[in-house]
Amino acid sequence: GAVVSQHPSRVICKSGTSVKIECRSLDFQATTMFWYRQFPKQSLMLMATSNEGSKATYEQGVEKDKFLINHASLTLSTLTVTSAHPEDSSFYICSATASKPNYGYTFGSGTRLTVV
Amino acid sequence: GQQLNQSPQSMFIQEGEDVSMNCTSSSIFNTWLWYKQEPGEGPVLLIALYKAGELTSNGRLTAQFGITRKDSFLNISASIPSDVGIYFCAGYSGGGADGLTFGKGTHLIIQP
Repeated sequence: GAVVSQHPSRVICKSGTSVKIECRSLDFQATTMFWYRQFPKQSLMLMATSNEGSKATYEQGVEKDKFLINHASLTLSTLTVTSAHPEDSSFYICSATASKPNYGYTFGSGTRLTVV
Repeated sequence: GQQLNQSPQSMFIQEGEDVSMNCTSSSIFNTWLWYKQEPGEGPVLLIALYKAGELTSNGRLTAQFGITRKDSFLNISASIPSDVGIYFCAGYSGGGADGLTFGKGTHLIIQP
């Protein structure tokens, strides 16, 4: 089955630094990858959609200059949280899909980011 | 962004009982998905529904895509301890964003 690997699973960083999170599709080519954020005891909220080789589409209210997304290949997308602040602490989850109409989005295992 | 209304928010049941949860939306979705998430992990797909009226089973799990395309339910029969977790519904409308819209989750707790 489709497998999505996300790394790191946990990261602690100092306020003001940047953190990069990787999302890889291991056994399929992901034409589209999605990044979600989940606060404790809340649902997943879509942050942005990235298509290989093109700029990411950000949801309303998500700062594109703060959350940099790169989808350089069909198997890798990265999310960089720049100048991180404590309020950026959250659970970040990526998902990937091969192509429409395959709506069986596969999720990574998530990254717990703590900014101190 | 848009959210689905998922209920109940939490369920406290005895092992062996059946479970039912549902999601409703004010707008139409073309696809309904049900996920289970355990602490510190990403969601895992349980059932995918692609057609209005579709009823699909996966072991003890059964889900249906409402005929109005605005609702879906998930049933779990004869619950067992490993069913504990948070269950999310998610809808896909085929709009420009192409991402999924998630419900707020149903936290299932099984009492011994």
